[in-house]
Formats: sequence, structure tokens, C-alpha cells
Amino acid sequence: ETGVTQTPRHLVMGMTNKKSLKCEQHLGHNAMYWYKQSAKKPLELMFVYSLEERVENNSVPSRFSPECPNSSHLFLHLHTLQPEDSALYLCASSRRTGGDSPLHFGNGTRLTVT
Amino acid sequence: DQQVKQNSPSLSVQEGRISILNCDYTNSMFDYFLWYKKYPAEGPTFLISISSIKDKNEDGRFTVFLNKSAKHLSLHIVPSQPGDSAVYFCAASTDKLSFGAGTTVTVRA
Repeated sequence: ETGVTQTPRHLVMGMTNKKSLKCEQHLGHNAMYWYKQSAKKPLELMFVYSLEERVENNSVPSRFSPECPNSSHLFLHLHTLQPEDSALYLCASSRRTGGDSPLHFGNGTRLTVT
Repeated sequence: DQQVKQNSPSLSVQEGRISILNCDYTNSMFDYFLWYKKYPAEGPTFLISISSIKDKNEDGRFTVFLNKSAKHLSLHIVPSQPGDSAVYFCAASTDKLSFGAGTTVTVRA
């Protein structure tokens, strides 16, 4: 098993659809993250969970809804998205929150909103 | 406001030569710096880091230099190999991590 697994790898959805992204980490880490990567832009932090509690929500629109049922799983529920939400969504985990704990990323979900 | 900047979007280097990637930051409170490497269709992977109390950290072919007075960070790869062709992200942190936009490195055979 790879360290951080994301499904699906690719997702195409209409603006009225509801879908969910899934992330699972097998590293025993206590912190999990959702990042958004748009073309030629820095990675944008969306959400941070530490020990299953949300510790950061970076002014993300409510059409993105995270869920962390346990320390190994993280979901991102999507509804009524806009075309500008098309991007690569990356999940990551780390031993703990704090900038000196390196992140381990999954391979991402390439999302296209039509 | 972007606190971490990688002003060179791309870099092309001959195999065997040195690759130098640069990163500038604006927040003097940053105390830890990291480099990540990303291949197409994969997530970024951690490469090397440096604490603000140091000015150099070396790991095999990779060396990171920190110049706090200039708020400048660089990554040296020597010798460059074709497998080093990837996008490299600089990141800096206080308690939160801020990323640069990345530099695409192409190593020519």
C-alpha cells in the first residue's frame, strides 16, 4: 500500500452534481490536509484536520465540505461546483501539524467541472 | 499576497551539470523551509528541508542554502540526472506552510 491513496484519480462533473473525493493514509499520521493546485499557481491549503478535528478552514466556499471520520480517512464532498473549481485536489498527511513536519501527498484527483 | 516566490518558472540544464533553483520569501517569521519534487500525475514528495538556525543542509546530490538576511533559499542539485526532471516547489512555514508556484526542471541528456 502506498502511503497516501486518493480516489478517484480523475473526475468530471456537472455544476449540479454531488460527488466526493476520498483519501486514505497508511502512515499512522495524526494530521490530514486538502490542498488545491491550479495551473501555474502555488498549492492552496483548503482544510487541516488534527486528530480528526478541523483546525483550519482557509476561507473555502461552502460548496466544498470536508469530513474526517477517523485519523486515516479524509473526504471532500463537492456540490454545485463552478468551472473555476477545476483543478488538481491533493490530500496530504503528516505526523503532526506544524510547518516542520513534512507532508506526504497522495497522487491527487484531477477534477473537471463542466 | 504570495509570501513565497519562485521567479523562474522553468530551468533547463545539461546532464551532469549543476541545477540551481531559487526561492524568495517575504515573511521574516518563517522558521522552516522545505523543497518538494513533483512528477507528472503524481503528488509532490518531500525532498530536503532546513531550519532557520542553519544556513546549509546537504543530502547526497541535493543541498539547500538559506540566506536569512536576503530572505532567499536555493536548492542545488549536482550532478543533475535525467530523473531529476520534475517540478520543484519551495515551501516555508511558521505554523502554516506556504508554497511557491514551482519551477519546472528539464535535464537534457
